[in-house]
Amino acid sequence: DQQVKQNSPSLSVQEGRISILNCDYTNSMFDYFLWYKKYPAEGPTFLISISSIKDKNEDGRFTVFLNKSAKHLSLHIVPSQPGDSAVYFCAASTGGTSYGKLTFGQGTILTVHP
Amino acid sequence: GAVVSQHPSRVICKSGTSVKIECRSLDFQATTMFWYRQFPKQSLMLMATSNEGSKATYEQGVEKDKFLINHASLTLSTLTVTSAHPEDSSFYICSAPAQGFVGNQPQHFGDGTRLSIL
Repeated sequence: DQQVKQNSPSLSVQEGRISILNCDYTNSMFDYFLWYKKYPAEGPTFLISISSIKDKNEDGRFTVFLNKSAKHLSLHIVPSQPGDSAVYFCAASTGGTSYGKLTFGQGTILTVHP
Repeated sequence: GAVVSQHPSRVICKSGTSVKIECRSLDFQATTMFWYRQFPKQSLMLMATSNEGSKATYEQGVEKDKFLINHASLTLSTLTVTSAHPEDSSFYICSAPAQGFVGNQPQHFGDGTRLSIL
């Protein structure tokens, strides 16, 4: 039962353009969502998060949008840079006694071409 | 810089060997740490929650006798894969909340351990 899904295994974008990575979830108890970036043989690096009480959070080039009714979140990267090329994971947690327990999506490989 | 250190980064050993992986929080205390496993081209799956001074809690389907977790200090959790077999070959990774454990906050991850059992 995949509670967090990233349906696009890969995304290719031109440098300077916008990258949009999507994530869907099924568990309505999730109340905290995160995006991580991962390079091969390294651990995930935290990018940005959003609480379920918000619908948007912005940090520099990264913006996360949350649509609770659709159980959908997205990460926008503007402008995209070649150094952004990596695997991007969305993750979610339910809070309460499950603080810190993350459920991950399968990841999307982002390639930004110069 | 890294806030969570994991060691070793890679292990190759024979079937039947027990392997210990260490996860350390750097410059902060972590009463709780988490252990994940990632198979090739798959998502990171939570295995267990490591609790300082008490027993670890395991996710459904994870054998606690197979994956021994010890959280002996506020900065160190260890995962021991006992009598490892080829099917245990995977990428093991730990995480810890950055500062304490109050409310929702991002987890910081170690760089993972690639375990290969021959």
